[in-house]
Amino acid sequence: EADIYQTPRYLVIGTGKKITLECSQTMGHDKMYWYQQDPGMELHLIHYSYGVNSTEKGDLSSESTVSRIRTEHFPLTLESARPSHTSQYLCASSGALGTQYFGPGTRLLVL
Amino acid sequence: RKEVEQDPGPFNVPEGATVAFNCTYSNSASQSFFWYRQDCRKEPKLLMSVYSSGNEDGRFTAQLNRASQYISLLIRDSKLSDSATYLCVVNLYGGSQGNLIFGKGTKLSVKP
Repeated sequence: EADIYQTPRYLVIGTGKKITLECSQTMGHDKMYWYQQDPGMELHLIHYSYGVNSTEKGDLSSESTVSRIRTEHFPLTLESARPSHTSQYLCASSGALGTQYFGPGTRLLVL
Repeated sequence: RKEVEQDPGPFNVPEGATVAFNCTYSNSASQSFFWYRQDCRKEPKLLMSVYSSGNEDGRFTAQLNRASQYISLLIRDSKLSDSATYLCVVNLYGGSQGNLIFGKGTKLSVKP
């Protein structure tokens, strides 16, 4: 099993609140990713990082922001949550071989 | 043309059947290939990497055809527990370079 963790697993929150989704990995991987996935739909890459102090936007435009201050930690923040942000958010990391390992995901519901 | 294309299915098969999925990719320079499995409401998990010579892991066989730019996954003697969505994944680069490109997935349902 991959050592990548996400908290919270489920979050129900009201519109306008600021939220931070946590992701951490203990594998020493340099590359980390955030994906957004709606039920039954495909994965969309929204952010990635090649290492500390590196962050890039992914293929799908997102109002969220990320930071990478430590190798093992890659949090995602939404300054003002809206119902359109309701989705599942999956964090992943990869090492030298390029294989990605996913965390269990955070299911976000914005009311 | 999408970078990675898969038949979305669903493939409904009886237990014990053999089922095959194909996936095509658009960039002929792609270097690495994978199959991931995603159960309903769970995260994707690596099923197997796909090597040029083809590779087998128990009941699962993966093949790569670079000339035709497609990847296949064959599942023999399918089990109820094989029911999931199978994601075809391609990387333009090898090793740790570049990002993985995920297909939309093919849904498999194995019935008793």
